[in-house]
Formats: sequence, structure tokens, C-alpha cells
Amino acid sequence: EDQVTQSPEALRLQEGESSSLNCSYTVSGLRGLFWYRQDPGKGPEFLFTLYSAGEEKEKERLKATLTKKESFLHITAPKPEDSATYLCAPRRAGSYQLTFGKGTKLSVIP
Amino acid sequence: KAGVTQTPRYLIKTRGQQVTLSCSPISGHRSVSWYQQTPGQGLQFLFEYFSETQRNKGNFPGRFSGRQFSNSRSEMNVSTLELGDSALYLCASSLGGTGVEEQYFGPGTRLTVT
Repeated sequence: EDQVTQSPEALRLQEGESSSLNCSYTVSGLRGLFWYRQDPGKGPEFLFTLYSAGEEKEKERLKATLTKKESFLHITAPKPEDSATYLCAPRRAGSYQLTFGKGTKLSVIP
Repeated sequence: KAGVTQTPRYLIKTRGQQVTLSCSPISGHRSVSWYQQTPGQGLQFLFEYFSETQRNKGNFPGRFSGRQFSNSRSEMNVSTLELGDSALYLCASSLGGTGVEEQYFGPGTRLTVT
């Protein structure tokens, strides 16, 4: 059975204080790992897809990386508008579903 | 390009009733997936449709069903509602060809069962 664990569950950062979120997964035959951002009361917003170990992708203050067992979302010099819940979801080969982690709730304090 | 739309946005139902939720995907997207989101369980996969065929089904009871129409619009139905069915129901669409394209989510339907 696919398993996804995100840590920490919640993270409070001062504005400008960089940090990383972790996504550990056990998925047979990974076909892609997706990162989403979700604001309260809204649907998840797509951020990145990573397909193979060693791959990195960047968008503004966010950088996602992938190894064979983990993915990291690095946040550099965050701003209050980065506050949200960040979700990761691997996709297994032969499956059309995403298995989501419980998410990391990020709060950036001005 | 218009995003994924879901109707209704909010719904209040009584135990034992049934409910139908609707999802219109992004134009050109042929895959529609449904997820249930609750504070305790997070986002859980319900089912996925592509070209009117269900390709994947999650571990939910048979009270949860869905379908997709020829224009890729999708509906999901929950019969004999239970209190535990209260949740945010999210629909996501993707191109659907290879199965690894990104999914784009709608705003969700908030269902409350009393």
C-alpha cells in the first residue's frame, strides 16, 4: 500500500527565515511526485511535478527536489503570502490516482 | 482559460438522503478525478474517469458512485448519507492521456450532513 508522510505537521517561520518541508513516500514504481499549495476553503493549487530522483524545480521562493524515498520543498526568504498548507502526492505506475500526504501547514509571521 | 468548476459550492443534507455533485473540467481535459477531504483523513481518492470510463476507484463504499459524460463533465453521487460523509469534495481535471499529467483542482463542494 502506498504511504506518504509529511513533516513537520505545522511550521511557523519569521518572514525571511528559510526552511524545508519533507515528504517521505513508499510507492512502488513512482511515475511522478506532485506538490500542491492549499489555502483555507479552496482547492489545491498545482506547484510542481518531479519525475525522477535528482530532479529539481523552482518557482519564485520555492524549490522542490526529489530522491528515491523523499521529496523536499525548500522555501527561501518566505513572505506572509506563502502561508498555506503544502501537500505532496506521489503517483504509482499503473495508477491514475494521487495519494496525498496530510500536509504541512506553514505560517509566515511578518 | 476557465478553470475547473464545481456546483453547488455548499450543500446541507439530512442523514439518509442522497446528493449529486457536479464538476466541469478545464476545456480539453478528458480525465476527471474526485477526492474527499476531511480534517482527520486529509485528501482521499474516490475515483477517476477518462472518456466516460472509470479507470481507478478508491476504497470507499458502494454508496459513492460517479459517472462522466461525453463532454467530459462528471457527476458523483452519494446515497444514504451518513454524518461521516460531511466533507469537502474536490474534483480535479487533467489531460489524462498518459496518467502523469498534473491535475488541476476546482474549489470544491462543502457537504454538511445533519
